[in-house]
Amino acid sequence: GAVVSQHPSWVICKSGTSVKIECRSLDFQATTMFWYRQFPKQSLMLMATSNEGSKATYEQGVEKDKFLINHASLTLSTLTVTSAHPEDSSFYICSARGPLGSLWGEKLFFGSGTQLSVL
Amino acid sequence: AQSVTQLDSHVSVSEGTPVLLRCNYSSSYSPSLFWYVQHPNKGLQLLLKYTSAATLVKGINGFEAEFKKSETSFHLTKPSAHMSDAAEYFCVVSARMDSSYKLIFGSGTRLLVRP
Repeated sequence: GAVVSQHPSWVICKSGTSVKIECRSLDFQATTMFWYRQFPKQSLMLMATSNEGSKATYEQGVEKDKFLINHASLTLSTLTVTSAHPEDSSFYICSARGPLGSLWGEKLFFGSGTQLSVL
Repeated sequence: AQSVTQLDSHVSVSEGTPVLLRCNYSSSYSPSLFWYVQHPNKGLQLLLKYTSAATLVKGINGFEAEFKKSETSFHLTKPSAHMSDAAEYFCVVSARMDSSYKLIFGSGTRLLVRP
């Protein structure tokens, strides 16, 4: 089955530094990728949707300059948390979908998530 | 090892009839289990979650799920399907692995509702 690889699985960083999270589709072209975050004991919250080659569409309340999303290729999307602060500590997960109308476009495939802790 | 298996990739029901979406899990720890729904062109929405309280969990939109430890199952049910229930449903288990926390998603079940 399709696999989405997300790295790193966990990261600890100092306040003020930037952290990059990668999401790769390993055996299909991910034309659309979604980024979610989850605070403890809460549900997943959609942060943004990115289509390959286009700027990401951010959900209301999500800072574009804070959470930089790049989807420059059909197999890779990155989320960069810039100038991270303790309140950015959260669980981030990506999901990917292939071209609509294709086998990979019928379902969402999820990465395994990244636990970010900002000290 | 933790895993989630959604037994049906597609389920088709008639409007007004019961819905059953099956989910089995494997976990070395006491798991937290979730059901999420995704409607076309929208993000995931949490339907319900089990976190070691009552084994019968009631969620939104008339959905409920029962945690059965002996069967390692967390099937999602609804007494009467509505056309608006047509969507993709994901069973999810949360697991703490070493020092990290992971969400493990099932492969999803697409629910089709016939008029």
